[in-house]
Amino acid sequence: QSVLTQPPSASGTPGQRVTFSCSGSNSNIGMFTVNWYQQFPGTAPKLLIHHTYQRPSGVPDRFSGSKSGTSASLAISGLQSEDEADYYCAAWDDGLRGVVFGGGTKLTVL
Amino acid sequence: EVQLVESGGDLVQPGGSLRLSCAASGFSVSNYAMSWVRQAPGKGLEWVSGVRASDGIKYHGDSVKGRFTISRDSSKNTLFLQMNTLRAEDTAVYYCAASSYGNYIESMDDWGKGTTVIVSS
Repeated sequence: QSVLTQPPSASGTPGQRVTFSCSGSNSNIGMFTVNWYQQFPGTAPKLLIHHTYQRPSGVPDRFSGSKSGTSASLAISGLQSEDEADYYCAAWDDGLRGVVFGGGTKLTVL
Repeated sequence: EVQLVESGGDLVQPGGSLRLSCAASGFSVSNYAMSWVRQAPGKGLEWVSGVRASDGIKYHGDSVKGRFTISRDSSKNTLFLQMNTLRAEDTAVYYCAASSYGNYIESMDDWGKGTTVIVSS
């Protein structure tokens, strides 16, 4: 059972806008910034969003992050087939004194 | 260019020990927050251990506390994970990850390709 809660799956059609939710608590998302990772099968994760809203260089502006209270969201606009991957949220947890991940959401592009 | 190369993964019996290494290039492991993250077969990501950039404070996840120890050697520019009293549930791909964002261990912007640890008799 992951500390951060994500829906196991999501889907969308090319060009559509999809959002992923990540639910936490006051000891993690409520206190700290949120990070999002993208992972393709058999490869290492890639940082997509850091500090809740920031995109590392090279990440398209189709990807955006937000947060409200103890929940966070990742949005992908203009969905493309190559966006089909697993998406994980992560944050620091003050009670556990460590990084916590969500269970991940598998995105299918129909 | 930042590069991380893990090594040391192996098949080990339950109760055994293993030391993973992560050789870094393109930056100094002392200047970045560093972590080990694992992924069991067919499962999600699990953060294992991390060390802050500025002061070297170490953190370990509850599932490995008391059994695993993270360390770094500046002279070798290498990150290590000493794993003792291994259990079947430690079987996973272990990734080394680095954060260039100060002490923000959770913002890992560079990753190695991973090394596989299998704990089985």
